[in-house]
This record gives sequence, structure tokens and C-alpha cells, in this order.
Amino acid sequence: NAGVTQTPKFRVLKTGQSMTLLCAQDMNHEYMYWYRQDPGMGLRLIHYSVGEGTTAKGEVPDGYNVSRLKKQNFLLGLESAAPSQTSVYFCASSYWGGRETQYFGPGTRLLVL
Amino acid sequence: DQQVKQNSPSLSVQEGRISILNCDYTNSMFDYFLWYKKYPAEGPTFLISISSIKDKNEDGRFTVFLNKSAKHLSLHIVPSQPGDSAVYFCAAENEGGTYKYIFGTGTRLKVLA
Repeated sequence: NAGVTQTPKFRVLKTGQSMTLLCAQDMNHEYMYWYRQDPGMGLRLIHYSVGEGTTAKGEVPDGYNVSRLKKQNFLLGLESAAPSQTSVYFCASSYWGGRETQYFGPGTRLLVL
Repeated sequence: DQQVKQNSPSLSVQEGRISILNCDYTNSMFDYFLWYKKYPAEGPTFLISISSIKDKNEDGRFTVFLNKSAKHLSLHIVPSQPGDSAVYFCAAENEGGTYKYIFGTGTRLKVLA
């Protein structure tokens, strides 16, 4: 089992460019999450999904879109990157929500110039 | 406004001694709390959790204490080992059982050999 994987590991973007971050899990989990981690801010939830074909907003959804077309994949899109989106992005998944343990991927470091 | 606070950004402890990591929260509706550990260049991994119906939960060298009246929880690691050196995040389940966690800013623990 690979667990939760994230692609790419590191990316540099120019302001205004777009990109998609891919998260994949092989644990048959229903719930998937996207977080960002910034210095002094902890992890903040961007969007989450409670099942294939569903998505919902988290704490900091502005500037991001997500899709969950397949149960095992959760995509995070930046349509027009801004320097404020420079961060480390973590994907997580859990079998169900609530008090189920969330399993995290290794992270994607994104730098927006 | 930070609802989950870890006021100590870093902590150094001698190997074999006790490490105590603290976490405060402001929302009295939080009723489930977790600790995650994070090594550099890896995603956070679940360590231990506690429900608000308990005041203590123990798992091997790790014990979490919850003081609801003070809105405070702490993680005790005894004895501390060099491999425990990592960033520790506490998290609380958001009100209403919405299955979304609010994370603290993290405490970097260094265990000195």
C-alpha cells in the first residue's frame, strides 16, 4: 500500500499561472481533504470531500477549486496563482469523517513568484 | 482568531526525561482532540486522541491529559527519545461534529541525546 501520495512534490509558478495538484489514496477511503500549512498558522482546511462526486469548502477555500471524479483521487486546482498561495499543501484521507484517523500525504511545496 | 493555540514554538528535552507539550483552545464546543507528529519533508501522522468524556488517555510512552474547565490539553512523552524529535500539532474537532479539524500552530520538540 502506498497510502496517500501527492504529485508534484515541488513546483514554482509565476503569478497568474494555473496548476493542478493531484492526491491519490489506495485505502478505499471515503473522505479526502486538502490543507495548507504556512509558518505560524498550523494546517488550515481548504476543501474536503465526503465521497466520490462531492466537494465542500473548508476554512480557506478562496482561490482554489477541487474535484473528486474518482474515489481514489482528489484534485486541487489553482486557476490564477498568487504569491499568497505560496505554501505547503497536504492531502489527507480517512475511511469516514469525524473521529476516524486522517492519513496525510508527504506534501507539495508550492512557490508562487 | 486562533481557536487552538500552541504557545510554545519549540521545546528541548534531554533523552530519558519527560516532554510536556501544551495546547489551549477557546471553543467550548470542541469535544474531541488529537495529537499529530510531523517529521521534516513528511506528512503529519496520527499519534493519540482523547474524547471530552475522558481526562486522560494513554498509549505506551504517550499520554494526553484534558482539562475541560481550563480548556487545556497536554501531551506527555515519557521517556523521551531522540526519535521523538519532530513537530507536534494538536487539533480539535470543529463544533457540530462536522468532521473538520482545527489545528494548532505546532511545537517543535528536540530531544537531546
